[in-house]
Order: sequence, then structure tokens, then C-alpha cells
Amino acid sequence: DVKVTQSSRYLVKRTGEKVFLECVQDMDHENMFWYRQDPGLGLRLIYFSYDVKMKEKGDIPEGYSVSREKKERFSLILESASTNQTSMYLCASSLMAGRDTQYFGPGTRLTVL
Amino acid sequence: EDKVVQSPLSLVVHEGDTVTLNCSYEVTNFRSLLWYKQEKKAPTFLFMLTSSGIEKKSGRLSSILDKKELFSILNITATQTGDSAIYLCAVLPSSNTGKLIFGQGTTLQVKP
Repeated sequence: DVKVTQSSRYLVKRTGEKVFLECVQDMDHENMFWYRQDPGLGLRLIYFSYDVKMKEKGDIPEGYSVSREKKERFSLILESASTNQTSMYLCASSLMAGRDTQYFGPGTRLTVL
Repeated sequence: EDKVVQSPLSLVVHEGDTVTLNCSYEVTNFRSLLWYKQEKKAPTFLFMLTSSGIEKKSGRLSSILDKKELFSILNITATQTGDSAIYLCAVLPSSNTGKLIFGQGTTLQVKP
């Protein structure tokens, strides 16, 4: 079974803090994705990566950056957290681009005060 | 602009009822449509539909795709309280990125 894990289930941070959210998958998947999920808006793609050190912007990249130094690990960084970044953050991975379903991690509920 | 629209956005039914969830899409270079179920944590994969008119079935859940009219339905028969969840529809375009386009989700509540 594919396993996607995220570093924290719940996180509370203050405005202006730098926040790291980490995602690890154990199935040697090529592609990894970061989404945020807000009520009424569904899942919105922030960034994705199709290879180590490769990244592409999704639909809402502003205020975020990512890092993929190893194939199994994809980090989402909030350089200076703001209250409008309070959300559920979901990481996903898939084996091959365009051919495979995405498998999701359990999510991190981030609150920025 | 590519988009996926789900309806209804929320639904309350009683155990034993049958429900139909809808997903329509306007996506350039469609490849496949996926359904996920999300309870309190990670969305879990239900179905991937690529061809029109072929029903996919798993227990009380079934789904079908109409590529001419650009929609899919997810049916749940004899609903149970454990079916309460957010149901997500997503479209996978033909691209090299594997990037999914999600609908807003349908929140289903099944009352005892």
C-alpha cells in the first residue's frame, strides 16, 4: 500500500513566522503535490514537482515556496505566515505523470494567529 | 479555463436512501475522471473513469462517465452513516504533469 505521511496533523503558528510542512512518500513516486483545502473552494493546487529539484507553480503559489531535494520528500514553506493561510494542507503523490491516481496524506490543519 | 463543477454542494439523507452525486467538467484534453471520498483525513481513491458508458462498481458505490455530455455521476445505494463524507471529483487532463483539476466537493451527511 502507498503511504504518504505529513509531519504534523495540527499546527498553530503566529503571523510572520516561517512555517515548514513536510511530506514523505514511500513508494518511489515521481510526482508530488501540495494542495490547500477550504470550505466551498475544494482542493486548490499550490505547487507540484515531477522530479527531484523540479517544481512548478499550481493555481495559488503566492506566499508559498517548495523544496524537493530527495525523491521521497516534498516540503511546503510559508516564508511569512499570514492569517489567510489558515487552512487544511494536503500532500499527494502519484507514480507517473498523467497516468496514475494521486494518493493523499492525512493533511495538516494549520492555524495562523 | 478548465473547470470541474459538482452538485449538490451538500446533501442530507437518511440511512437506506439512494443518492446521486453529479460532476460536470469543461477541460481541454480530457484523459480521465476520478472520484475520491474524504472523511476526517486524507481523500481516498474510489474510481478512475476513462471510457464513456462503462460503469465502475464497488459494493454499494457505482460511477459512470458520459464524455459526450461531459459529466459523471456517483451513485450510493442503501446509504449508511459511514458513507458520510466529502466526495471529491477531479479531472486528469492529458499532460505530462499529472495535475488534477478538482471540483468543490459534495458534503454528504447520512442520518440514522
